Amino acid sequence: EAQVTQNPRYLITVTGKKLTVTCSQNMNHEYMSWYRQDPGLGLRQIYYSMNVEVTDKGDVPEGYKVSRKEKRNFPLILESPSPNQTSLYFCASGLAGIRQTQYFGPGTRLLVL
Amino acid sequence: GQNIDQPTEMTATEGAIVQINCTYQTSGFNGLFWYQQHAGEAPTFLSYNVLDGLEEKGRFSSFLSRSKGYSYLLLKELQMKDSASYLCAVNSAGGGNKLTFGTGTQLKVEL
Repeated sequence: EAQVTQNPRYLITVTGKKLTVTCSQNMNHEYMSWYRQDPGLGLRQIYYSMNVEVTDKGDVPEGYKVSRKEKRNFPLILESPSPNQTSLYFCASGLAGIRQTQYFGPGTRLLVL
Repeated sequence: GQNIDQPTEMTATEGAIVQINCTYQTSGFNGLFWYQQHAGEAPTFLSYNVLDGLEEKGRFSSFLSRSKGYSYLLLKELQMKDSASYLCAVNSAGGGNKLTFGTGTQLKVEL
């Protein structure tokens, strides 16, 4: 089944404790992206990747890191999480190109205490 | 900058027709997407418009006017399962996939 998977789905952590949210897709998509979704603010892009070893900042990159060592994986790293990073996170992937739709993972709900 | 506006909430009756509007002001335009998102779930693709006019897909249709910076999503024969948030997103990048999303319109379908 073609899909985007994220792990974990739910996470409660404390300020300053490094964490990684994994994202994997099995559709051979070049493009992958991370978003966060907050009430009243909608989906905002954190980082994106056009292909292996090619990543770039989105609209809200502060406090996050990413890597793209393999085509299928695009982990999101929070080196020192803070309470303002409490949010619902979505990973998405798609074929490269302006007309291509993006397919979203199921989401990761993160609470930073 | 990029600005995408949608109504925050709408309510409609089962079996009726509802139109959800989206206006945008972006530095470029490579197409407009509509996504549906049920509470607690991932957004799923509904439609894509890049040329002016109406695109019809079953009960859902989407319209675009590039000169007016305006789109709408039309839902016919509303069903209870259509209760969801509807997200308008614009691709304004020079050549990539980057989408800028509106804050979404929460649609409630009532009996």
